[in-house]
Parts: sequence; C-alpha cells; structure tokens
Amino acid sequence: EVQLVESGGGLVQPGGSLRLSCAASGFTFSSYEMNWVRQAPGKGLEWVSYISSSGSTIYYADSVKGRFTISRDNAKNSLYLQMNSLRAEDTAVYYCARERGVDTAMDYWGQGTLVTVSS
Amino acid sequence: QSALTQPASVSGSPGQSITISCTGTSSDVGGYNYVSWYQQHPGKAPKLMIYEVSNRPSGVSNRFSGSKSGNTASLTISGLQAEDEADYYCSSYTSSSTLFGGGTKLTVL
Repeated sequence: EVQLVESGGGLVQPGGSLRLSCAASGFTFSSYEMNWVRQAPGKGLEWVSYISSSGSTIYYADSVKGRFTISRDNAKNSLYLQMNSLRAEDTAVYYCARERGVDTAMDYWGQGTLVTVSS
Repeated sequence: QSALTQPASVSGSPGQSITISCTGTSSDVGGYNYVSWYQQHPGKAPKLMIYEVSNRPSGVSNRFSGSKSGNTASLTISGLQAEDEADYYCSSYTSSSTLFGGGTKLTVL
C-alpha cells in the first residue's frame, strides 16, 4: 500500500525557518517524481515545488522561489521541504504528492502537515 | 503562474448531471493533453479523479468523465450522488510548473 506521511509542521514566527519531511513507503520511491502542494485555510490548492526522481530537476512556484528548497533522499525514501524567511501568507496545510508519470497528475497524497506563521 | 479559472460553485439534484469548466491558456490547458481533476472532501487530502484529460484511475466511478476543447477542460459527473458533494480542482501541466484551478464547490441538493 502506497503511503506518504508528512511531518515537521508547526507554529513559527515570521522570518523563521521550518523543515518538512515526507516519508514514503509501499512503492519504489526512487522511480517517482514528487511535489509539495499547499492549501491555505479555507482556500484552494497551490502547487509549491517539484523534484524529479533523481533530484536533478527542480521547479518552484514564484511565490516561494529563493526561500524554499526541495530535496530528496532516495536511500531513505524521503522528501523534504526547507522553508526559510517564512511569511504569514505561507500559513497552510502542506501536502506531499506523488506524480503518476509524465502528465504531472498526482495519484497519491499524504494527509498534510499544518504550518502556521504568526507572531 | 496564474491559476486556472473555475466556477466558484455548482449544484445539482441527485441523479442529475453537472459539468465543471476549467479555463486556461494555450500555454497550459490548450497546449497539452495533461489536465487532471481532483476531488477533496472537507478535512481530507485531494483524490485524483481524472488524468490526461479523460482517463480515470482504477477505482474511480465511470460517472466521472473529462474532456477538453481548446483552452477549456471540463469535468462531468453523471447520476449525482450525495457523496459527490465536495470541492473539485482542475490542474494542468506547464513547461516548468503545475497550475491548479481555484476550485469549485459542488452542492448536491
């Protein structure tokens, strides 16, 4: 059974940092591209970042470029999101999601981890 | 990276059919056959319902169907059921990102 389990969320002050993790199991993690998607309270889905299966190709949304860093450790079946210079508008539930293939459709999602940026 | 355009809400009675539209540009929806649709119930993670415009993942009811014409994609749900009440999001591949629509709240009357 495919499972994605996020962790690392919490309350952080504006300007602070947080590192999210996503533990994958039930599939060959190193063969799949992965994404982080977030959802602010009461709002819609927003794509945040993408990483290829090898980690060699990475993309970011303009809203987080220069502040967030996506990475993965295929030996540990884990995906990460390092978030720096956090702002109030980064408050959201952060989901990790697996891409099914070339079409970018995300076929498995974690349960999400809540990040709250507030003083 | 502008969001795709969806209606904020749609509604229908049990047994009826509804269609949700998703409008983009020639750089996203119109440029690739890589449109996906997600269903999200309150407090839950999104669930993939349609990929590559019109394909259903295993386990998704055939009451859900997708199509595309030009820069607009559509999700049709036939034979509406109470459990279909949820938020629906479209998404599209672009050359360096994934775009989501703003979401549509489906109410089953």
